[in-house]
This record gives sequence, C-alpha cells and structure tokens, in this order.
Amino acid sequence: EAAVTQSPRNKVTVTGGNVTLSCRQTNSHNYMYWYRQDTGHGLRLIHYSYGAGNLQIGDVPDGYKATRTTQEDFFLLLELASPSQTSLYFCASSDNNNQAPLFGEGTRLSVL
Amino acid sequence: QQKVQQSPESLSVPEGGMASFNCTSSDRNFQYFWWYRQHSGEGPKALMSIFSDGDKKEGRFTAHLNKASLHVSLHIRDSQPSDSALYFCAARGSALGRLHFGAGTQLIVIP
Repeated sequence: EAAVTQSPRNKVTVTGGNVTLSCRQTNSHNYMYWYRQDTGHGLRLIHYSYGAGNLQIGDVPDGYKATRTTQEDFFLLLELASPSQTSLYFCASSDNNNQAPLFGEGTRLSVL
Repeated sequence: QQKVQQSPESLSVPEGGMASFNCTSSDRNFQYFWWYRQHSGEGPKALMSIFSDGDKKEGRFTAHLNKASLHVSLHIRDSQPSDSALYFCAARGSALGRLHFGAGTQLIVIP
C-alpha cells in the first residue's frame, strides 16, 4: 500500500534551534513536497523536488532548506528556528502531475 | 494573495442534508482541480479530481467545473457525521508539480 511516513510526529524546540523533519515514501514516486498548514492559509508549499538531488523553491521558502538524498527520502531543515515557524508540516509525494499527491500524517512543530 | 479562494469558511448541515463548497481561482493557467478532505489529526486525502468542464459524480460526491469563470464546486448529498472534516480545493496550472491549495472549509454534520 502506498505510504508517506513522517518523523517525528511532534517536535518542540527553542528559538534559534536546529530542526530536521524527515519524510520517506515507498511508492517509487518522483515528486515530493513539503507543505505547512496554518489556520486561515490552508496548505502552503515550502519546497519540492522532482527526484534525488533536485530541489525547487515553493511559495514560502524563507527560513527553510530541503534536501532530497534519495528517491525515497526528503528532508526539511530549519537551521535557526523562529516562533513564526510553529506550524503543522506535511510531506507529500506523487507519480506525475495528473495524480493527486499522497500526504503523510504530519509533524507538529512548536518553536518556543 | 492566495490564488485559490474557498467559501464558506465553515458550514453546518443536518445528517442527510446537502453540503456545498465553492472554490474560485485567480489564475487562468489553472486547468486541473482536486478536492481533498482532512479529518482531525490526519493528513489530507484526495477525494476526487476534475479536469473538464461540467459535472463529475462519484457516489455521494459531485464536483462541477466551469473553466470560463474559474469556478469549481463540490456537493455532498446525504451527508453523514463521518463527513465532518476540513475540505480543501487545490489547483494546478502549467508549472510542474506545484499544487495551490485554498484555505479550506470546515464541515460539521449534525446528527
């Protein structure tokens, strides 16, 4: 069964801290995405990737880096976390543009 | 400014009633639309897609697309308490891999 697995599910850090969010998909999908979800804004695209080593900038990239190390693994890095980055983060993957991206269960991040 | 606008923000319907959601895009490049549903504590899950003008029906769910007016809607007939969730409209244009989401509509189905 197609799956996108995110870790950790919950994370608390302090302002200025380093955080890495992990995502793994076992679907052999080429496309992977990182979104953040905030009330009133829906899901906003941070970064995405077409394949291993490829990175594309999304709509709200400031303060975030991403790395796609393999086809399966996509990481989101917050090197100097700020309270404005407190949010619910979702990873998704898809096979092609006409397929609806499949989402993981999310990571809730709190920056104190 | 969000490229995909959803209305209403929230909606309450009685069990067995009809729930209707609206979505308007501001980008004429958007050609492909999806509806997603998100239950509390879970990730969003795709409900249905619509790429052509007109209606598309899947069980109790009907989507309607009018590309000329950049408007897409979703209707749920015979709403059930399990339909209570956050519903998102999502759209894609010509750019590869970029899906734009609306802010969502919260549906509450009252038993």
